[in-house]
Amino acid sequence: GAVVSQHPSWVICKSGTSVKIECRSLDFQATTMFWYRQFPKQSLMLMATSNEGSKATYEQGVEKDKFLINHASLTLSTLTVTSAHPEDSSFYICSASTGDQPQHFGDGTRLSIL
Amino acid sequence: AQSVTQLGSHVSVSEGALVLLRCNYSSSVPPYLFWYVQYPNQGLQLLLKYTSAATLVKGINGFEAEFKKSETSFHLTKPSAHMSDAAEYFCAVTEYSSASKIIFGSGTRLSIRP
Repeated sequence: GAVVSQHPSWVICKSGTSVKIECRSLDFQATTMFWYRQFPKQSLMLMATSNEGSKATYEQGVEKDKFLINHASLTLSTLTVTSAHPEDSSFYICSASTGDQPQHFGDGTRLSIL
Repeated sequence: AQSVTQLGSHVSVSEGALVLLRCNYSSSVPPYLFWYVQYPNQGLQLLLKYTSAATLVKGINGFEAEFKKSETSFHLTKPSAHMSDAAEYFCAVTEYSSASKIIFGSGTRLSIRP
């Protein structure tokens, strides 16, 4: 089946640093990738949708300068949390889709900002 | 916009008992309905999906869900619970305007009593 790899699975860093999270589709070409944020004991909140070669579309309330998304190829999208602060600590999950097919999810990245 | 409501944030059943997790969606008939499962510190795994081909949908791990248009429901069931079923379950719907953008319910945590 379709596999989506997310890296790193867990990252701890100091406040003010930038953190990059990678999302790769290993055995299919993902025309669309999605980035979600999940707070403890809550549902997934869509942050942005990215199409290969295009600028990401951000959901209302998500700061595009804070959460930089790049989808440079059909198998890789990255999310960079710039100048991270403790309130950015969360579980970030990516998913990948080939258009109208159901999304396949990565295993998530737990980000902890000290 | 589409929406989905999961009744009951926590459901507890005995091992071997029937599992019933409730989900209702907004009134417009969506292209797809889904149930996902999430184990701790992991991404989401697709249990099953409804795509209008059949109202009773069978998924993995013995789960199934029935689409009932008259009740705008898509409840998830399993005849006999196993300890390994303990996890968080999310009902989800695609937005009518985009076949791939998913709206998640708030989630139901399923606990299994020995």
